[in-house]
Amino acid sequence: AQSVSQHNHHVILSEAASLELGCNYSYGGTVNLFWYVQYPGQHLQLLLKYFSGDPLVKGIKGFEAEFIKSKFSFNLRKPSVQWSDTAEYFCAVMMDSSYKLIFGSGTRLLVRP
Amino acid sequence: GAVVSQHPSRVICKSGTSVKIECRSLDFQATTMFWYRQFPKQSLMLMATSNEGSKATYEQGVEKDKFLINHASLTLSTLTVTSAHPEDSSFYICSARDFRLAGGIYNEQFFGPGTRLTVL
Repeated sequence: AQSVSQHNHHVILSEAASLELGCNYSYGGTVNLFWYVQYPGQHLQLLLKYFSGDPLVKGIKGFEAEFIKSKFSFNLRKPSVQWSDTAEYFCAVMMDSSYKLIFGSGTRLLVRP
Repeated sequence: GAVVSQHPSRVICKSGTSVKIECRSLDFQATTMFWYRQFPKQSLMLMATSNEGSKATYEQGVEKDKFLINHASLTLSTLTVTSAHPEDSSFYICSARDFRLAGGIYNEQFFGPGTRLTVL
């Protein structure tokens, strides 16, 4: 079955530390990839997305993600996190250009000041 | 930016009653709305896709007679949980997109803030 895995359920970092959150999916066809963020008490917001082209995608707030097709991965990175990055992060995959999003289980990030 | 609202944000009901949740696109027209369910510490699971003016498409394993979806206008979709039971307690989230915009499926889905349903 098609699935999306986020391996880190909880991550705790100090400010200025670097961040990498893993996302892997199981599907051999064409995929569109997304990272969403949910700040405490707020809606899901799109951080970045990949449809085609350069596999290194830059998003809002200094986040980036790299699509590695051979590894079925789309890891999220940020070189230096801030306290305001404390949130839950969801990876999502749209398979075969359908409109349906399949979400990972989410990663709760806590950034300590 | 595009805003999606949900009402109510929280609802507590007795077992056996029905609960209606509204999802509205406030500043754009949504040809398609999606309903998700999220269990604690788990993924958002797509329940159904709601297209304006037509019947909803349910995902495998979702009871359409249990979760009634109506998308009567381009700005409103409703999810009614009928004869709710404690196992229906969950966080329900909707999202919306406008397929008519240039880019079609490549357009962003905008998410509502969610509705927490507790069935006693």
